[in-house]
Amino acid sequence: DAGITQSPRHKVTETGTPVTLRCHQTENHRYMYWYRQDPGHGLRLIHYSYGVKDTDKGEVSDGYSVSRSKTEDFLLTLESATSSQTSVYFCAISGQAVSTDTQYFGPGTRLTVL
Amino acid sequence: DQQVKQNSPSLSVQEGRISILNCDYTNSMFDYFLWYKKYPAEGPTFLISISSIKDKNEDGRFTVFLNKSAKHLSLHIVPSQPGDSAVYFCAATHTNDYKLSFGAGTTVTVRA
Repeated sequence: DAGITQSPRHKVTETGTPVTLRCHQTENHRYMYWYRQDPGHGLRLIHYSYGVKDTDKGEVSDGYSVSRSKTEDFLLTLESATSSQTSVYFCAISGQAVSTDTQYFGPGTRLTVL
Repeated sequence: DQQVKQNSPSLSVQEGRISILNCDYTNSMFDYFLWYKKYPAEGPTFLISISSIKDKNEDGRFTVFLNKSAKHLSLHIVPSQPGDSAVYFCAATHTNDYKLSFGAGTTVTVRA
């Protein structure tokens, strides 16, 4: 299994509070991604990183920010959580373009915003 | 607008029979396609892929077929086993990209 951990695995928070999810990898892979999984939508890309301090927006980036200060860690922050951000969040990593290298996923974080 | 579509949210199949999962895409730039499998409380795992230069790729019980003119691909599982019960996601990208576009998923239940 690829060395990807996510913390916390479960979190319940209240509307308006800040939340940070952490993804940690031990594979030294260049690319890291944050997805959210919702019924009827599959996996949607929130933000991704193509190197330390290099990040870009995905298709559902509103309300989220990310940071990558070192290769192994990719943080996802909800500045002010809303109920619409209740979801399961997955981190993923890949070493190269996905047509030549598998994208590996972490175990997920279930976030509930009350 | 979702560029990868899985129009069947669920599929129930008897053990030993064939499971056929379908996927359609709208972006003509996509030239590499993947299937991921996901069990509850786990992250998705890569299952099988196919490049647009092929129309079929086989790996054990799993075969993916690609029809470029119809912008359609399918995953065949033969024979279906209880351990195949999971959610299957279709995904697409184009060569040298590092982002994937996913479908909504199909939940497969294999009945004993």
